This record gives sequence, structure tokens and C-alpha cells, in this order.
Amino acid sequence: LAKTTQPISMDSYEGQEVNITCSHNNIATNDYITWYQQFPSQGPRFIIQGYKTKVTNEVASLFIPADRKSSTLSLPRVSLSDTAVYYCLVGDIRTYNTDKLIFGTGTRLQVFP
Amino acid sequence: IAGITQAPTSQILAAGRRMTLRCTQDMRHNAMYWYRQDLGLGLRLIHYSNTAGTTGKGEVPDGYSVSRANTDDFPLTLASAVPSQTSVYFCASSVGSRAVDEQFFGPGTRLTVL
Repeated sequence: LAKTTQPISMDSYEGQEVNITCSHNNIATNDYITWYQQFPSQGPRFIIQGYKTKVTNEVASLFIPADRKSSTLSLPRVSLSDTAVYYCLVGDIRTYNTDKLIFGTGTRLQVFP
Repeated sequence: IAGITQAPTSQILAAGRRMTLRCTQDMRHNAMYWYRQDLGLGLRLIHYSNTAGTTGKGEVPDGYSVSRANTDDFPLTLASAVPSQTSVYFCASSVGSRAVDEQFFGPGTRLTVL
């Protein structure tokens, strides 16, 4: 099971780009990288998932280098409403092993005016 | 109902009492999960169910039980509550039960055991 490491917290200001990096040094060939976002007093919600290179959607971009030992979640031009906890997870695409999926403590992003 | 709902929203419970947290989804998802979230410890999986009629233990199952009699409902029972079970409880569901399948979370139940 690939363990992930991410910063405990980050601060930013409105309008800036925020990059949150997650380390997963022992990621396996069949593992995908998934990021969830959790606003205060709400459950987490899925924001992006990828295997390699770059993935972009309406919320964020995910950059994954060739060795896949890390990944970077990029939030363009953040606003106050992006203040949340961001979780990086690594999971196997093949097997029914959701019980092995570990959310951890995530990265607490605080956006200031 | 749209998505996944949990009840109650919050509850204060005396230690030793029995409590059932309810979770219902209307998305016909196969898999369902219960997590607890504690300050500094993040989200931890309590129990899960890959499909109706089956359940499994997660990272912190002790003191909790679940059942999955049908696709939509996944209640979590605390047989005899203890103060260490004070937490925010989240129910989630996903179409499949692979680790990569997107999980949809409910709004949570805040439980205080005194």
C-alpha cells in the first residue's frame, strides 16, 4: 500500500495559484492518484484523479511526473471559497480493496483576502 | 432524496447507551462506507460494504457494527457508547468498490458521548 505524505497546512491569498505536492515514493504500477477536497462542516468530495502526466478539469489540474513518486494539485487563482482540507490518496485500480484507501490528515489550505 | 443522507445531524449520548446512525443513498451505488473524523487524525474507515449482504472491517472497527440488508441503507450501530467514540461520522458510497472509485459523502453526524 502506497503511503502518501503532504504538507499539514498552506496559506495563500486570493487570486494566487496554489500548488500542493504529495509524495508517494512506493506507488505501484496499478495505482492511481486521487485528490479530495473537504470544506468545513462537510464531507469530502472528489476533485481530480490521474495516472500520469497532466489531468485538468473545471476545478483543478493534476501534474504527475514520469516516475510517479509525487503529484501536484494545482488550483488556479484561488478564492476564499477554496479554503478547505485537501487529501491525496493512492489506490489500486484492479482490486476490490477500498478498505485499504487511506485519507490521512490532508493539507489544510487557508486563503486570505 | 438526492445523493446520500445521514441522520441524525447531531446527537449527545450518555455513555453505555446504544445508538444507530442512519445512512441512505438513492444513487444505487454498490459500495458504502462509514468513516470517523477526529481532530488531528483525519478520516479513518470504520466499516465498509462492497455490495448488499456483505460487510467488512476497516481501520477502526472496534465498538461498531454495521449491516447491509439492501442497496440503499447502511446503518452504523454503537452497542454501548464510550466517550472515545465522540467524533464526526461520515457515510459514503461509490458505484464500485475499487480504491479508485469516486466516493460520495454525506453531510456527517456529529456525535458526543458523555
